[in-house]
Amino acid sequence: DAKTTQPNSMESNEEEPVHLPCNHSTISGTDYIHWYRQLPSQGPEYVIHGLTSNVNNRMASLAIAEDRKSSTLILHRATLRDAAVYYCILMGGNKLVFGAGTILRVKS
Amino acid sequence: SAVISQKPSRDICQRGTSLTIQCQVDSQVTMMFWYRQQPGQSLTLIATANQGSEATYESGFVIDKFPISRPNLTFSTLTVSNMSPEDSSIYLCSVYSFGENYGYTFGSGTRLTVV
Repeated sequence: DAKTTQPNSMESNEEEPVHLPCNHSTISGTDYIHWYRQLPSQGPEYVIHGLTSNVNNRMASLAIAEDRKSSTLILHRATLRDAAVYYCILMGGNKLVFGAGTILRVKS
Repeated sequence: SAVISQKPSRDICQRGTSLTIQCQVDSQVTMMFWYRQQPGQSLTLIATANQGSEATYESGFVIDKFPISRPNLTFSTLTVSNMSPEDSSIYLCSVYSFGENYGYTFGSGTRLTVV
């Protein structure tokens, strides 16, 4: 499985945008970029995914670099409920293989 | 998205015993997976539960230690056998949904403590 690199942790102020980076220089042409997050004491939940084009949904936006070797998850206005571990995952088959993820802390 | 009921939510077990964890889904799903999350760590995939055939295990996990059943498209069990304190983890069931509610859905997990 192709590897992703994320910062160990990030901090944000409430109500401000958050940009969570992910590097995936060994991504193959058929790998989808998935983002999941895990809130405290819960199972992971789906956030967003994309292949080549930028994507938006009600939770977040995903900006994918033109060469696809990096991507950024954008939370437009962080709230305290967004404090979680965010996982960037490359998926070429049917299995989700989790890396270490980024711990996002949100300050009020 | 699919709704997963996982039981038990937590348990404390004696070493050398076995625990069976149940995963019930409210709709038929093709793919079901079992993960382990050790304290303070990320999730590790144990196996893919295949309906009507033997589970497919990831490297480092074996059927004798983690037998899995998948009798139908809505139910699976994971057994943690001959437990030791190193098996203390959260075990999570996950399913894959196609279509409008795309994505993987996870159960809330079973927190296992082996003493």
